[in-house]
Amino acid sequence: GQNIDQPTEMTATEGAIVQINCTYQTSGFNGLFWYQQHAGEAPTFLSYNVLDGLEEKGRFSSFLSRSKGYSYLLLKELQMKDSASYLCAPDSWGKLQFGAGTQVVVTP
Amino acid sequence: DAGVTQSPTHLIKTRGQQVTLRCSPKSGHDTVSWYQQALGQGPQFIFQYYEEEERQRGNFPDRFSGHQFPNYSSELNVNALLLGDSALYLCASSLYRTRGSSYEQYFGPGTRLTVT
Repeated sequence: GQNIDQPTEMTATEGAIVQINCTYQTSGFNGLFWYQQHAGEAPTFLSYNVLDGLEEKGRFSSFLSRSKGYSYLLLKELQMKDSASYLCAPDSWGKLQFGAGTQVVVTP
Repeated sequence: DAGVTQSPTHLIKTRGQQVTLRCSPKSGHDTVSWYQQALGQGPQFIFQYYEEEERQRGNFPDRFSGHQFPNYSSELNVNALLLGDSALYLCASSLYRTRGSSYEQYFGPGTRLTVT
């Protein structure tokens, strides 16, 4: 079975930092993806964590704890273009199980 | 380098009809997955095709079927359409892995299906 939990919405100001948490319960786990999706567009890849720990990629970082079934996505130096839905997706050998997504609203 | 392409962009069908959606994967990819995304929800996995066979399937009824061709392109067929089938249908391509970490899945722009 699967159960992915993320906050529905988060609001932050330009230049700030926001952390989006994701907890999951899933059978068969390879790693965890984070995708960004702007309204009306396809999801685009942000990160993929296989091992526990933090992976940093520019303004975006992602953390995974396999034992706790927990991940977070950290967005730094927020820009207006970062306003989008952020999707957490545990991966089971190519079968991605998406949460409902977290809508991030960046205000001036 | 062409990314994932899908056709048509939009489609309107009547309840009870059948529909076929098409997907061409990113150059060099051999695996195609299909997802259904209802408004305000995350994508839900329908099934995955590799080597012209269905490799994994999500919790969707048999009305949803698919096919993969030798050139790796794929079709999604939905029979006996219901109003609840109205959604954005996304195709994602990747390279196939049997075990261990996966490769990134690249998503196409989607097909917006409306069932009236």
